[in-house]
Amino acid sequence: NAGVTQTPKFRILKIGQSMTLQCAQDMNHNYMYWYRQDPGMGLKLIYYSVGAGITDKGEVPNGYNVSRSTTEDFPLRLELAAPSQTSVYFCASRTSGRMPEQYFGPGTRLTVT
Amino acid sequence: DQQVKQNSPSLSVQEGRISILNCDYTNSMFDYFLWYKKYPAEGPTFLISISSIKDKNEDGRFTVFLNKSAKHLSLHIVPSQPGDSAVYFCAATRVSGTYKYIFGTGTRLKVLA
Repeated sequence: NAGVTQTPKFRILKIGQSMTLQCAQDMNHNYMYWYRQDPGMGLKLIYYSVGAGITDKGEVPNGYNVSRSTTEDFPLRLELAAPSQTSVYFCASRTSGRMPEQYFGPGTRLTVT
Repeated sequence: DQQVKQNSPSLSVQEGRISILNCDYTNSMFDYFLWYKKYPAEGPTFLISISSIKDKNEDGRFTVFLNKSAKHLSLHIVPSQPGDSAVYFCAATRVSGTYKYIFGTGTRLKVLA
């Protein structure tokens, strides 16, 4: 099992550009999450999904979009990148069972200049 | 409003001694708590968790204590090892309902050899 994979590892964007951060998991987890971590801060939830076709907003959804067409994939779309979106982005997944531990990907470090 | 707080940004401990990391929460609806460990340039990894029906959970060198009346949990690492040096995040969630996790800002632990 590869677990949770994220691509790319690093990216530099210019203001106003768009990009998609990819996330995939091979554990057949129903729940998937996108977080951002700013320096000295905890993880803030951007969007989450409880299954294919079902997504919902987290704490900081503005400037982002998601889709969940398959169980495995949960891409995060940035439209019109802004410097405030400079952050490290983590994708996570978990089962729908009783034990709610999340499994995280290695992260994508994004810089918007 | 920071619902989960880790008030100590950093902690240094001698190898072999006990490390105690603290976490406070404000929302009494949380019923499950988790600790994650994060090394630089990696995603967080699950360490240990506790349900609100318990006041203690042990796993090897790691013990988590929960004081519901004080809305406080702590992670004890005994004995501390240099490999434990990392950032530790606590997180809280409700097992049923929201599927969302609230993370603290993290405590950087340094174990001195």
